[in-house]
Amino acid sequence: DSGVTQTPKHLITATGQRVTLRCSPRSGDLSVYWYQQSLDQGLQFLIQYYNGEERAKGNILERFSAQQFPDLHSELNLSSLELGDSALYFCASSAGGAGPDTQYFGPGTRLTVL
Amino acid sequence: QQQVKQSPQSLIVQKGGISIINCAYENTAFDYFPWYQQFPGKGPALLIAIRPDVSEKKEGRFTISFNKSAKQFSLHIMDSQPGDSATYFCAAYYYGQNFVFGPGTRLSVLP
Repeated sequence: DSGVTQTPKHLITATGQRVTLRCSPRSGDLSVYWYQQSLDQGLQFLIQYYNGEERAKGNILERFSAQQFPDLHSELNLSSLELGDSALYFCASSAGGAGPDTQYFGPGTRLTVL
Repeated sequence: QQQVKQSPQSLIVQKGGISIINCAYENTAFDYFPWYQQFPGKGPALLIAIRPDVSEKKEGRFTISFNKSAKQFSLHIMDSQPGDSATYFCAAYYYGQNFVFGPGTRLSVLP
C-alpha cells in the first residue's frame, strides 16, 4: 500500500458527460501528479501540483482540469468525455519541491466511456 | 526529443534466468532515470533509479546499466522469479519537463 488513495475505483459514464476523480496524497507529501494510462499511449503525464499551485503541465487536454485543495487532496475533472478518454487514471504523490523525488502511485481509477 | 524508447515489448524468461530490458532517449537534458514495476490492478512502484554520473547501480537482484554516450540504459533482473512477472517502465526526467515514460515491457517468468 503506497498510502495514496484514489476514488472511485471504477467509473462508467457516457460520452459528453463530466466526471471528477479524487486523490488523497500520502501524509506529508506536498506534490500531486496525475497520469493517464491507456493501452496504446502508455503512461502519460498530465499535470503536477505542489502545495496548491500548478507546477508542471504535460499532455493534458483543454477538456481536462485539475486542482489541489488546501488540505492537499486533488481532483481531476474530465468534461465532454469521448470514447478515447477511457483509460486508467493514476494519481501519484511525492514530498515535493524541486528535483525528482520518489513518486508514490495510487491504485488508479478505471474510467470507461460508453 | 522527449520520447523514451523501450524494448522489448514483451519478454518471457525461465525461472532463474536473466531478464534484460533496454531503453533509449534523445534529450541529453534528462538527468534522472528510474524504473517502475507495475503489477496488474496496481499503480506503478519505483524499483530502482540512476543518475547519469554513474554507469551502474545495483539493488539486490536488480541492476541498472547506464551508457551516457549512447544515451541508453537497461534493467537487468538476475535470478528472475515468477513473482517478478509484471510490466516494467523506464522513465526519464529533468526539472521542468517532469517524467517521460517508456511504453512498458511485459515480463513473464515461467516456473
